[in-house]
Amino acid sequence: TQLLEQSPQFLSIQEGENLTVYCNSSSVFSSLQWYRQEPGEGPVLLVTVVTGGEVKKLKRLTFQFGDARKDSSLHITAAQPGDTGLYLCAGAKGDDKIIFGKGTRLHILP
Amino acid sequence: GAGVSQSPRYKVAKRGQDVALRCDPISGHVSLFWYQQALGQGPEFLTYFQNEAQLDKSGLPSDRFFAERPEGSVSTLKIQRTQQEDSAVYLCASRHYRDQETQYFGPGTRLLVL
Repeated sequence: TQLLEQSPQFLSIQEGENLTVYCNSSSVFSSLQWYRQEPGEGPVLLVTVVTGGEVKKLKRLTFQFGDARKDSSLHITAAQPGDTGLYLCAGAKGDDKIIFGKGTRLHILP
Repeated sequence: GAGVSQSPRYKVAKRGQDVALRCDPISGHVSLFWYQQALGQGPEFLTYFQNEAQLDKSGLPSDRFFAERPEGSVSTLKIQRTQQEDSAVYLCASRHYRDQETQYFGPGTRLLVL
């Protein structure tokens, strides 16, 4: 059962455009993470957000954790072909188990 | 290398066969996790070890699935009497005790059951 809903499921945009992908849940999480996964590889952690309302920046990527700690967004500025991949959000509830969403498959066209 | 390694990378099994998937975590990582990732889905938690102790196996889908980590390093996920619905990528991740936030994933084993 996936408790985290990601949208959109697929996104194809031109290089240089901006985009936002969303991760929503009815559950509260103690922390939320974003991963990027490329074909044939395991997910790689991009960021962890812990505090409601927290914003973190990683170069052209901006991550926000919702005030109620139920949702998050990832914004990419001036997308580049190297940003292509599957973006997964994952939530933790305080135990060692993390719950992944289904992911947003992003394709940046050169 | 310094990362998590998994073998085999690909496995084709006939329905009913038993398979064993191996995970070599990063040296010194106490925690080890197994996930199942079906096509078009995110990873789903299967089981978790701390050293050799299996602390959580709530995600194992049936009693055909069994995981072990007898010496607290290498782990093996065994699937008995494989079924077509077992076809998926099986991911292993490890974590250092000083960084509880970060799991390092291996490349996965892609299992296809015919």
